[in-house]
Amino acid sequence: SQQGEEDPQALSIQEGENATMNCSYKTSINNLQWYRQNSGRGLVHLILIRSNEREKHSGRLRVTLDTSKKSSSLLITASRAADTASYFCAAIYNQGGKLIFGQGTELSVKP
Amino acid sequence: DAGVIQSPRHEVTEMGQEVTLRCKPISGHNSLFWYRQTMMRGLELLIYFNNNVPIDDSGMPEDRFSAKMPNASFSTLKIQPSEPRDSAVYFCASSLGEGSPLHFGNGTRLTVT
Repeated sequence: SQQGEEDPQALSIQEGENATMNCSYKTSINNLQWYRQNSGRGLVHLILIRSNEREKHSGRLRVTLDTSKKSSSLLITASRAADTASYFCAAIYNQGGKLIFGQGTELSVKP
Repeated sequence: DAGVIQSPRHEVTEMGQEVTLRCKPISGHNSLFWYRQTMMRGLELLIYFNNNVPIDDSGMPEDRFSAKMPNASFSTLKIQPSEPRDSAVYFCASSLGEGSPLHFGNGTRLTVT
């Protein structure tokens, strides 16, 4: 299976703290994307990083990509209770156009 | 923009019945994806279309599953006959093309008893 792995599976932090989630994948990718899912809803795209990029920012989000280690991380700074959700990484592999999702990290931010 | 629209939101049916899930992608999007989400298996890609043509259906679990996209604004996922193990949330997503971010609908929660 090409499905990547994420860690941790669950993360609980206090409001104001930073949250870091990691994602590993198995073969060469075209790009890697991060999504958020609130309970009972569809996934929402957060940020896309291409294979030739190393870091990308969007508001309080920072994504890094290390192609040599086949890994990516998502950092949410100054977390808020509203950031409570599941976060997924997903990769487009060079061999095709389909987006393969990891198992996700469940983030809980306590007020 | 109304986003990706899926119907129904919830479906409860008995084993052996036919189930049809519907999806209206975002206007102008060329790619459409069907995913299934369960606690045990996570998000699984079932099939995706580019310009209404099925490109990869290797994720369709069995012949009981079929998907169609008769035009750019409508797709269906059909399960016939349904089984309890098909119970899951089924998501439809669309995008501007291969590699572009996906826009998801809110899913159809299917329960097969």
